Amino acid sequence: QVQLQESGPGLVKPSGTLSLTCAVSGGSISSNNWWNWVRQPPGKGLEWIGQIYHSGSTNYNPSLKSRVTMSVDKSKNQFSLNLSSVTAADTAVYYCARAFGGSGHGDLDYWGQGTLVTVSS
Amino acid sequence: DIVMTQTPLSSPVTLGQPASISCRSSQSLVHSDGNTYLSWLQQRPGQPPRLLIYKISNRFSGVPDRFSGSGAGTDFTLKISRVEAEDVGVYYCTQGTQFPHTFGQGTKLEIK
Repeated sequence: QVQLQESGPGLVKPSGTLSLTCAVSGGSISSNNWWNWVRQPPGKGLEWIGQIYHSGSTNYNPSLKSRVTMSVDKSKNQFSLNLSSVTAADTAVYYCARAFGGSGHGDLDYWGQGTLVTVSS
Repeated sequence: DIVMTQTPLSSPVTLGQPASISCRSSQSLVHSDGNTYLSWLQQRPGQPPRLLIYKISNRFSGVPDRFSGSGAGTDFTLKISRVEAEDVGVYYCTQGTQFPHTFGQGTKLEIK
């Protein structure tokens, strides 16, 4: 069974860059699936940030596109998220998730446990 | 972006009774490949979301058969035939037909 685990700093200063990594186990990141980031502000709903394929192809949410960069490290079977110029509005639990299939439109079938990132000085 | 609207936003239910959640999309979710990428997620308190139903009506691995999904085009429904205590949480519909993926506001299921 595929398992995902997020890691990264829990506290980021305003105007800084949020950097998270998602380690994939139980399956290969080079499989025919897309790897996603989703966030959830405390007490609120879910927001899709974007996704990456093992080839490096990406799809980003236009609302965040100017600040988001995703990358894949096939040697470590993991993928990463960078979100620049953060503000308090970026405080959220960040989840990584797999979208099944090669189109990117697939269902988010496996999720990590999530990691809380707080933006504060 | 496709807007996903769920009703109700809160649903108090008696144990053993059925529950139903509706989800309406602002555009058809039928993709050009013929699939409808509408799924339902369950988020128990303090837990990450979990996939329950995918492509309208398919139960994901390990999901009890008391959960069922139906619908087409822009109108979809999640039904729980007999609510159990472990079903408490927030339920989200989500679409992946068009980028960006979007989610409904969530429906909080609670026991009366």
